[in-house]
Amino acid sequence: RKEVEQDPGPFNVPEGATVAFNCTYSNSASQSFFWYRQDCRKEPKLLMSVYSSGNEDGRFTAQLNRASQYISLLIRDSKLSDSATYLCVVNRMDSSYKLIFGSGTRLLVRP
Amino acid sequence: DAGVIQSPRHEVTEMGQEVTLRCKPISGHDYLFWYRQTMMRGLELLIYFNNNVPIDDSGMPEDRFSAKMPNASFSTLKIQPSEPRDSAVYFCASSKTGGRGGNTIYFGEGSWLTVV
Repeated sequence: RKEVEQDPGPFNVPEGATVAFNCTYSNSASQSFFWYRQDCRKEPKLLMSVYSSGNEDGRFTAQLNRASQYISLLIRDSKLSDSATYLCVVNRMDSSYKLIFGSGTRLLVRP
Repeated sequence: DAGVIQSPRHEVTEMGQEVTLRCKPISGHDYLFWYRQTMMRGLELLIYFNNNVPIDDSGMPEDRFSAKMPNASFSTLKIQPSEPRDSAVYFCASSKTGGRGGNTIYFGEGSWLTVV
């Protein structure tokens, strides 16, 4: 079983739609959580960190459920420019500070 | 500010040849990471350094792979001999705090390797 699991998609939605991605992680030692965005043939870039109380950045809302070990990302009023792969990332705070990436969920926003 | 700089951006080589990928981290960053990305396996951490010292190389696939960081501004990932299954995008990334506490790691644009 992978340490970080995501639905690969693709999620194909019209402009203006609301879309949500979930991610589960298996290691309870994980303490930091992030969503990264990766455009086609580009490097991953930080979209937002995920805090225990949940956090919002414009049209993007991230939630963390430690008890169930899942993380979510909600995108409201989706834009064509949101089309990308969204990577769920966890950081294990054991002896090595590793960032473990999920395989990503692909989002396609159509006109 | 300059980001993480990787070279070469693209390389096509024949099986059995030595491949050397290079990385210059962001100035002031004390963590450096090498990742490999393929369609099948996603983004995998190969090795990371803290203050030029290798901390965890458990992701290095086999002895054909080696990485060095002779100083704070330069790292190499070497594959010798290369095999077709090594074809992937190799990303170098750097961070000031190792990616903990909500701080970001910054990726280079990647080195696209094809071994034929």
